Amino acid sequence: DAGVIQSPRHEVTEMGQEVTLRCKPISGHDYLFWYRQTMMRGLELLIYFNNNVPIDDSGMPEDRFSAKMPNASFSTLKIQPSEPRDSAVYFCASSFLSGYNQPQHFGDGTRLSIL
Amino acid sequence: LAKTTQPISMDSYEGQEVNITCSHNNIATNDYITWYQQFPSQGPRFIIQGYKTKVTNEVASLFIPADRKSSTLSLPRVSLSDTAVYYCLVEGDTGRRALTFGSGTRLQVQP
Repeated sequence: DAGVIQSPRHEVTEMGQEVTLRCKPISGHDYLFWYRQTMMRGLELLIYFNNNVPIDDSGMPEDRFSAKMPNASFSTLKIQPSEPRDSAVYFCASSFLSGYNQPQHFGDGTRLSIL
Repeated sequence: LAKTTQPISMDSYEGQEVNITCSHNNIATNDYITWYQQFPSQGPRFIIQGYKTKVTNEVASLFIPADRKSSTLSLPRVSLSDTAVYYCLVEGDTGRRALTFGSGTRLQVQP
């Protein structure tokens, strides 16, 4: 099993540019999560999907952030326009549907730097 | 969502047993207790999960008292490679199927 795959691993871009982060969950997993990690705020849940449908996006910071899951094997997190305060490590995770005691499997993250 | 409290940091030496305790006073009946480990530049990795009493796997043991208001992660004979941040989480049938990560416990293992 390849695990959760995220791309790119690193992204450096200038303020105002659009940023797109990608995630491929583990095959067969029904839940997909997007997290953001910073030194100041720790690991924060941004949004999660169940069977490709967004269930809770209350953690999304503002309208500049959007996430989609067009199919069971792919999700994107987009920031437009990007700002320096968006600099963080963004993690994607996935898990099975079959109950709330199913642990999440995390990717290795995308380290985003907005200049 | 049940809030958890755990020490910010701990120090240990190679070969010692390390116990990290987490408090979760408002844990609900359907909640499970899950521990994750995170190395620098990696995503959190599942270590162990339990509901009550004791759970053991090849990596760690998890002790949960009868009232379930706390739990203790036990790492036997730690090595330098166990240096990481350890997160305790409580998740269950809350209607918001999500994880709330606290600040975690930063474990430093020295030779």
